[in-house]
Amino acid sequence: EADIYQTPRYLVIGTGKKITLECSQTMGHDKMYWYQQDPGMELHLIHYSYGVNSTEKGDLSSESTVSRIRTEHFPLTLESARPSHTSQYLCASSDSTGRSTDTQYFGPGTRLTVL
Amino acid sequence: DQQVKQNSPSLSVQEGRISILNCDYTNSMFDYFLWYKKYPAEGPTFLISISSIKDKNEDGRFTVFLNKSAKHLSLHIVPSQPGDSAVYFCAASYTGTASKLTFGTGTRLQVTL
Repeated sequence: EADIYQTPRYLVIGTGKKITLECSQTMGHDKMYWYQQDPGMELHLIHYSYGVNSTEKGDLSSESTVSRIRTEHFPLTLESARPSHTSQYLCASSDSTGRSTDTQYFGPGTRLTVL
Repeated sequence: DQQVKQNSPSLSVQEGRISILNCDYTNSMFDYFLWYKKYPAEGPTFLISISSIKDKNEDGRFTVFLNKSAKHLSLHIVPSQPGDSAVYFCAASYTGTASKLTFGTGTRLQVTL
């Protein structure tokens, strides 16, 4: 089981502020992901990374950006938060051995509210 | 276009009985399927998975069945316990998608005493 951490768990912030959501994992997983989930809806992939210095946009368009400078760290940044960014943001990681690459392990999530 | 569908938004089952959660998919390229469990304000927890080369996978109280011809999978929980009350998500992927998962909208399971 992966150990994956997200901070903060809850964030309430005003419109126009810059925010960074932190995600770290201690399992040495190469692949990391960011999902966005609204209540009662499915998880939507917004960013993913295959490894250091590799980032790709996901299936759902997002104004956020990510970086992967270290294997264990995959922060997500919003340059100017808006109320439409209010959602739960979930970080996940998976390893690179065999078919288990598709088993993703999730952090506890960050509940973001933009006023 | 919803490629993974969980048509029952909620399910209520008595403690000790069987819970059956269903999932349908439309993309015939999917070849790996997973179930996750999610409590409020927490991230999803991986439960069990199945490859398309199998039709059944069992892990303790949890069994996943896959019917490829019907593009349908189900999760059976026997016996159901109050701690199983959560939202269950079905997810799917296929070879070559870099492990990207497509999720359903979830089914809320309530296990009553």
